[in-house]
Amino acid sequence: DVKVTQSSRYLVKRTGEKVFLECVQDMDHENMFWYRQDPGLGLRLIYFSYDVKMKEKGDIPEGYSVSREKKERFSLILESASTNQTSMYLCASSFEGAREDTEAFFGQGTRLTVV
Amino acid sequence: GESVGLHLPTLSVQEGDNSIINCAYSNSASDYFIWYKQESGKGPQFIIDIRSNMDKRQGQRVTVLLNKTVKHLSLQIAATQPGDSAVYFCAENIGSQGNLIFGKGTKLSVKP
Repeated sequence: DVKVTQSSRYLVKRTGEKVFLECVQDMDHENMFWYRQDPGLGLRLIYFSYDVKMKEKGDIPEGYSVSREKKERFSLILESASTNQTSMYLCASSFEGAREDTEAFFGQGTRLTVV
Repeated sequence: GESVGLHLPTLSVQEGDNSIINCAYSNSASDYFIWYKQESGKGPQFIIDIRSNMDKRQGQRVTVLLNKTVKHLSLQIAATQPGDSAVYFCAENIGSQGNLIFGKGTKLSVKP
């Protein structure tokens, strides 16, 4: 089974802290994604990566950065956490788009609270 | 301050009835569509997918219908069970990068 693992289920951080959210997948997927999920707004794409050291901005990249040094790991970084970044963060991975099995597999989510 | 979220559309059905969840997608160039189910406290889980060269696909108790003319996707769940209670998201994929665009979700509540 595909496994996408996020390092923490719950995090509480203070305003201004630098926050790292880690995600690891074990299926050799090319694509990895970070979404945030807020009530009534669905999943919104923050950043995605289609290869090691490659990254693309999603719909809401402001206040975030990412790092993909290894194929299996995709990190989301909040440079200076703010209260409006309190949210559920979901990591996902998938094979590259030309293949038949391109559905994305999700981690269990990290609920981040910034106080 | 924090933005105020919108309430999710909610569908309430009786156990044993069929459920139909609808989704309008945005881009006529989308060529791949997925339905995800998200239970409370968990990440979204894949249910069923369909490519744009099809208009119907069936799984176990689920059917996805695609109407490209009006850019509409639906998920039908037969004989809905309490375990089907969740938020359901449709997602569309454009092009080769596999970047999914999600709808806002519909909450399905199953009454015993």
